[in-house]
Amino acid sequence: QVQLQESGPGLVKPSETLSLTCTVSGGSISIYYWSWIRQSPGKGLEWIGYIYYSGSAKYNPSLKSRGTISVDTSKNQFSLKLSSVTAADTAVYYCAKYSSRNWFDPWGQGTLVTVSS
Amino acid sequence: QSVLTQPPSVSGAPGQRVTISCTGSSSNIGAGYDVHWYQHLPGTAPKLLIYGNTNRPSGVPDRFSGSKSGTSASLAISGLQAEDEADYYCQSFDNSLSGWGVFGGGTKLTVL
Repeated sequence: QVQLQESGPGLVKPSETLSLTCTVSGGSISIYYWSWIRQSPGKGLEWIGYIYYSGSAKYNPSLKSRGTISVDTSKNQFSLKLSSVTAADTAVYYCAKYSSRNWFDPWGQGTLVTVSS
Repeated sequence: QSVLTQPPSVSGAPGQRVTISCTGSSSNIGAGYDVHWYQHLPGTAPKLLIYGNTNRPSGVPDRFSGSKSGTSASLAISGLQAEDEADYYCQSFDNSLSGWGVFGGGTKLTVL
């Protein structure tokens, strides 16, 4: 049973880079697609992007090229970097396994990241 | 504003049946893309409830069912139980804006 766990700083200053890591256990990261999703306070879910284990990635156009997702197969981890953050990037960030048929399962528990000085 | 539209809230008494709608357009649900549903209890990992419009993952009770027609989809929950109180989200794919996955705004289910 694949499980995912997000980790990273819970507080990031405006204009800095948000960095999160998702650790995959119970299965190899070297198959499937892997994704980041976020939920801002009081708002719905927003897909940030996804990466294939080979390293090819795609991002939500709304991020305006601020996002970078990478994968480390030796550690069974994938990561998210979001640059030039503002208060609007405050959210609970989830990692998830992404099916080639466009659904997410399973998800991590999520981690709250607050952007504030 | 979400690309897929869901009612903000629905409610029902234990044992009743409720439905949650998910309305899209010709660039997503109406274009033939599958709809998936998730159950989310705050503080926990969202859980895949229905995939490919009508399919239940192993372990999901058959009280949960999904359907799709035209530019809309629905999640039905029968025999409502207190533990069903949660937020529910629909998700599909949209072929505008370079093609991207999109979510509904979420529906809060209250069991009275």
